[in-house]
Amino acid sequence: DTAVSQTPKYLVTQMGNDKSIKCEQNLGHDTMYWYKQDSKKFLKIMFSYNNKELIINETVPNRFSPKSPDKAHLNLHINSLELGDSAVYFCASSQGVGTGELFFGEGSRLTVL
Amino acid sequence: AQSVAQPEDQVNVAEGNPLTVKCTYSVSGNPYLFWYVQYPNRGLQFLLKYITGDNLVKGSYGFEAEFNKSQTSFHLKKPSALVSDSALYFCAVRDMNSGTYKYIFGTGTRLKVLA
Repeated sequence: DTAVSQTPKYLVTQMGNDKSIKCEQNLGHDTMYWYKQDSKKFLKIMFSYNNKELIINETVPNRFSPKSPDKAHLNLHINSLELGDSAVYFCASSQGVGTGELFFGEGSRLTVL
Repeated sequence: AQSVAQPEDQVNVAEGNPLTVKCTYSVSGNPYLFWYVQYPNRGLQFLLKYITGDNLVKGSYGFEAEFNKSQTSFHLKKPSALVSDSALYFCAVRDMNSGTYKYIFGTGTRLKVLA
């Protein structure tokens, strides 16, 4: 059983389109995150939800909208895709906001043409 | 502001030799430090963490890390490298002072173990 699963794994789309990435965790964690990894492998936090409440919104363009329907799910919707949005997007989860480690999904590689 | 630095983009080591991947941190208050590994086309995997207690922390796959408060370092080590250890390694600190407790990652160090 995959602990943190993301779909789709690969996404190729045209500029201007809208796309969504879904994430689910079966670890019973109450905190979930979206990270962006660029072509140089730098990891940048985008959003975090704790018990369905947004707690981190890290100066991400408002074309990106996260949504957490429940503690086990965190989705990312991107409007009007731009070339610079091409990256690997990782979902992660942790138990609370204490000292617990992150559990990552396998990533969703988004390519905008 | 809390931060971590990984001064080496790449570390090369021969199989069987000891390896060290460096990390230094800058935090106010007690540091909560982590190491993660990323294999090609995979998500990051947790290796080990330092929260409190013994300065030498043991983790997965034979890795360990030494917390050094005076040098503000948290270097990752392994006594004998394997080719399969070749991967991208990230040091991270959890910002316990911001109210959001976000993780701050270093820029990553690519480890290449040569047969």
